[in-house]
Amino acid sequence: AQSVTQLGSHVSVSEGALVLLRCNYSSSVPPYLFWYVQYPNQGLQLLLKYTSAATLVKGINGFEAEFKKSETSFHLTKPSAHMSDAAEYFCAVSVLFNNNDMRFGAGTRLTVKP
Amino acid sequence: DGGITQSPKYLFRKEGQNVTLSCEQNLNHDAMYWYRQDPGQGLRLIYYSQIVNDFQKGDIAEGYSVSREKKESFPLTVTSAQKNPTAFYLCASSRQANTEAFFGQGTRLTVV
Repeated sequence: AQSVTQLGSHVSVSEGALVLLRCNYSSSVPPYLFWYVQYPNQGLQLLLKYTSAATLVKGINGFEAEFKKSETSFHLTKPSAHMSDAAEYFCAVSVLFNNNDMRFGAGTRLTVKP
Repeated sequence: DGGITQSPKYLFRKEGQNVTLSCEQNLNHDAMYWYRQDPGQGLRLIYYSQIVNDFQKGDIAEGYSVSREKKESFPLTVTSAQKNPTAFYLCASSRQANTEAFFGQGTRLTVV
């Protein structure tokens, strides 16, 4: 079955600095990949998704992610962190025709320092 | 507005009691899911349903039950058999299995 690993349960950056959240996936077939954001005591909101089209995916709030098959990675980046980016971020992977099997990573908590 | 609604937002239960969490969507999605979230463990799938009157167990179904009598509704019952029910519960739906999921705001269940 497919899986994702998020490297780093906590990431701290200064406001205006680059945000880099790491996600590596494992899948025997071409995957669909997602990044979600969760604010405290709320549900998850989709940031962006990769579904086998362009490898560089742009999402909401200035985030983007690049699918790198050779590295089995789908890292999330944002050039300049804003205080409002502080939240928990989840990477997820699924494959079509594998009877509903979307798998989530353990999450990375992003802290933004003023 | 289209969306997915979970209620209540906070729920307290005494040990030994069953409790039902509500999940309703008006997105006309076929697939619906229940996840449990515990700190540092990400989301774990409890049950999912791809069509009305059909549902399957996820990774941690023991102590939980669901029904899918209507397309819009997918209630989750936490039974007394669930030994550690205190957690944040998230309901989600998607147009079809494995496409992007839309989440409700969650229900925080506390056993007292």
